[in-house]
Amino acid sequence: QVQLVQSGAEMKKPGSSVKVSCTASGGTFSSYSISWVRQAPGQGLEWMGEIIPIFGTVEYAQKFQGRVTITADEATSTTYMDLSSLRSEDTAVYYCARVEMGRFNYWGQGTLVTVSS
Amino acid sequence: EIVMTQSPATLSVSPGESATLSCRASQSVSSNLAWYQQKPGQAPRLLIYGASTRATDIPARFSGSGSGTEFTLTISSLQSEDFAVYYCQQYNNWPPWTFGQGTKVEIK
Repeated sequence: QVQLVQSGAEMKKPGSSVKVSCTASGGTFSSYSISWVRQAPGQGLEWMGEIIPIFGTVEYAQKFQGRVTITADEATSTTYMDLSSLRSEDTAVYYCARVEMGRFNYWGQGTLVTVSS
Repeated sequence: EIVMTQSPATLSVSPGESATLSCRASQSVSSNLAWYQQKPGQAPRLLIYGASTRATDIPARFSGSGSGTEFTLTISSLQSEDFAVYYCQQYNNWPPWTFGQGTKVEIK
């Protein structure tokens, strides 16, 4: 059974950075892409970027270019999403999801990131 | 970027009735369309992919149809656990993957 387990909630100051982890179990880590999707309070789903561990390639949504970095550690089956220059509008639940042929078939439990002074 | 537009924003339905949700793409996505269900405090769950194929363990009362730019999710005989927010997502053009803004199905 595939499981994605994310790191815990974070409280950050404006201008700082946050790094959220997503550890996969129950599948072949390198064979699938991992995307990061965020959801602001009461809002919809917003795709941020994706990493394909087996190729080492990463794609980012234009909106987050320059501010987000997604990496993967195959040894620990963990993907990381690093978001810098945080502002209040980045307050959201951040999800990782395993992507198979474009569809998001497994999701992490979500990590709440709160940005406040 | 392909824009996905869902309608209506909110749908009020009585238990046992059916619900029809719509999703429109700004350009053709062929049949590369998925539907997700999200309940409060939970991650989304994949319901339908390929516009009409139910994901694993999804009940038969959920059905999807459409291709190109117009898609429909139908939930027949709504159960209490079906009241949630539903999102469509295109995976024909990447990056980016894009989602609709969601349709909330609420109890009438």
